[in-house]
Amino acid sequence: QVQLLQSGAEVKKPGASVKVSCKVSGSPVTELTIHWVRQAPGKGLEWMGGFDLEDGETEYAQKFQGRVAVTEDTSADTVYMDLSSLRSEDTAVYYCVTVKSQNNWNSWFDPWGQGTLVTVSS
Amino acid sequence: QSVLTQPPSASGTPGQRVTISCSGSSSNIGSNRVNWYQQFPGTAPKVLIYRDKQRPSGVPDRFSGSKSGTSASLAISGLQSDDEADYYCAVWDDSLNGHVFGGGTKLTVL
Repeated sequence: QVQLLQSGAEVKKPGASVKVSCKVSGSPVTELTIHWVRQAPGKGLEWMGGFDLEDGETEYAQKFQGRVAVTEDTSADTVYMDLSSLRSEDTAVYYCVTVKSQNNWNSWFDPWGQGTLVTVSS
Repeated sequence: QSVLTQPPSASGTPGQRVTISCSGSSSNIGSNRVNWYQQFPGTAPKVLIYRDKQRPSGVPDRFSGSKSGTSASLAISGLQSDDEADYYCAVWDDSLNGHVFGGGTKLTVL
């Protein structure tokens, strides 16, 4: 059974960068597709990006293009999400998720990591 | 402004049947499979319905999903107090080339 364990909460200043990790257990990370979703306090869910199901390349929501990078360390079965140029609006809980299916059009997220709170404050 | 439109709230009494709608367009719901997620306060979401109407093991058959055209619905029958949670629809969007979520619906059991 796949489980995702994320790194702990972070507090960052505006303009800084944050790197959140997602450790995979129950399967080699090479056999999974991991994406990232965030949720601002009291708000809904927002997809950020991850590895494309069909070609393995990274794909990101337009909103985060140029500021986010998802990478993986296969030797550590860990996926990372780097978000740069942080602003107060980036304060949110960040979740890593496993994408099920082999095609985007019929895919879903299961399971989810426990979430990592990133607070951006001066 | 979410790409998918959900009512912000829904309510029902124990035992009742409630439905939550999710409205989209031809580039998302109209051509791809819809998923529903349930989230309790302070916890990570979990999948409730995937591929329009499939239930993961462990999800009671009181929960069901359906889709017609560019809209989808989540139905909960035999409502229980434990069903109080936030519910989100989600789907792949061909135009945006990414996953999109509805704004979420907060379900209250009266």
